[in-house]
Amino acid sequence: GPKVLQIPSHQIIDMGQMVTLNCDPVSNHLYFYWYKQILGQQMEFLVNFYNGKVMEKSKLFKDQFSVERPDGSYFTLKIQPTALEDSAVYFCASSLELSAETLYFGSGTRLTVL
Amino acid sequence: QQQVRQSPQSLTVWEGETAILNCSYEDSTFDYFPWYRLFPGESPALLIAIRPVSNKKEDGRFTIFFNKREKKLSLHITDSQPGDSATYFCAASASSGSWQLIFGSGTQLTVMP
Repeated sequence: GPKVLQIPSHQIIDMGQMVTLNCDPVSNHLYFYWYKQILGQQMEFLVNFYNGKVMEKSKLFKDQFSVERPDGSYFTLKIQPTALEDSAVYFCASSLELSAETLYFGSGTRLTVL
Repeated sequence: QQQVRQSPQSLTVWEGETAILNCSYEDSTFDYFPWYRLFPGESPALLIAIRPVSNKKEDGRFTIFFNKREKKLSLHITDSQPGDSATYFCAASASSGSWQLIFGSGTQLTVMP
């Protein structure tokens, strides 16, 4: 089936540094999402993105977070500066329509902030 | 306040038994309930989903039972296999208003051979 690829699978950085998480969505998909999962807890919606713009973001999407998809390449989540509480698994997803029924997820990037 | 709750947090069954995973929700506007399965290191994958027009949805060994009045649903996995060992997430969304998919915290299922 369709694949969403996330690079890297693990990342360890020091608090205060910048980190960029990369997502290669399904090729013909138009909507892109990031979810955050703290260990043992539920996956929580961060943001979705369409036509070069953020459509919707949750209160978890702090000012230190930003997303972009320059020139149709990777969909990225940048955190600058990072904080200890940003340690989590970040899942990217994409869909053809704005619908919960058509989401495809990547395998996640485990971010550890020391 | 968690909008989607799952229980138990972890469940162990023997091969061949039926595993029952429970889910409840708060928001009565939710009208789509998917279950996702997550194997370690892989992507959450849609397993089966139901809409409230039905109180049961079956796909092979996987069945969702839905109780709209009590805002509860459950996933039954019959003839459980060791390969079913994974974390199962219940989720919910509403087709009106925010489309967002709200996840429960998951049930970690272990099927012993």
